[in-house]
Amino acid sequence: KQEVTQIPAALSVPEGENLVLNCSFTDSAIYNLQWFRQDPGKGLTSLLLIQSSQREQTSGRLNASLDKSSGRSTLYIAASQPGDSATYLCAVMADYKLSFGAGTTVTVRA
Amino acid sequence: GAVVSQHPSWVICKSGTSVKIECRSLDFQATTMFWYRQFPKQSLMLMATSNEGSKATYEQGVEKDKFLINHASLTLSTLTVTSAHPEDSSFYICSASEYKQGADTQYFGPGTRLTVL
Repeated sequence: KQEVTQIPAALSVPEGENLVLNCSFTDSAIYNLQWFRQDPGKGLTSLLLIQSSQREQTSGRLNASLDKSSGRSTLYIAASQPGDSATYLCAVMADYKLSFGAGTTVTVRA
Repeated sequence: GAVVSQHPSWVICKSGTSVKIECRSLDFQATTMFWYRQFPKQSLMLMATSNEGSKATYEQGVEKDKFLINHASLTLSTLTVTSAHPEDSSFYICSASEYKQGADTQYFGPGTRLTVL
């Protein structure tokens, strides 16, 4: 069974600092890995999707890397802003199913 | 494009009653829809996978007689929580899968907050 772990569980940083969020998974036979953002009481917003053959994806201030062999992914958010405060979820796709981590809750202080 | 809606967004019900949650893909046809449950500060857990016109496939530990799933069309799936109890209170999220450009992508609904008194 795929296990997805996200560290840290919570993170608080001052505005402008770069964020580094980590995700690890136990079974490297994945189809893709996706990072989502979830605001309190809301659904999921997809941020970045990395196919298993890719090493990284970038969108604006966001960059995600994938090391499938070691079962790790990292999400970098540059120059954080208060609007980046949310919970960030990592999910891996295998056997047509998504397995989610518990998330990292980020607070960016103005 | 690729919008998924859920209705209702929140519901409060008495213990023992049944509650139906709808999930719709608004601008695409979804052959597969997924239902997840999320408890506070926990991960999303897949409950079941439903394909249009066939019975849903439930994950281990999910009672199929309690969580009835119907996927009658390519744009609508429903989850009915039967004889709800307080421990069923949770955030239920659906997703719909679209096959496009050689890949399946899941699009998520906004979620439904169920509170059972």
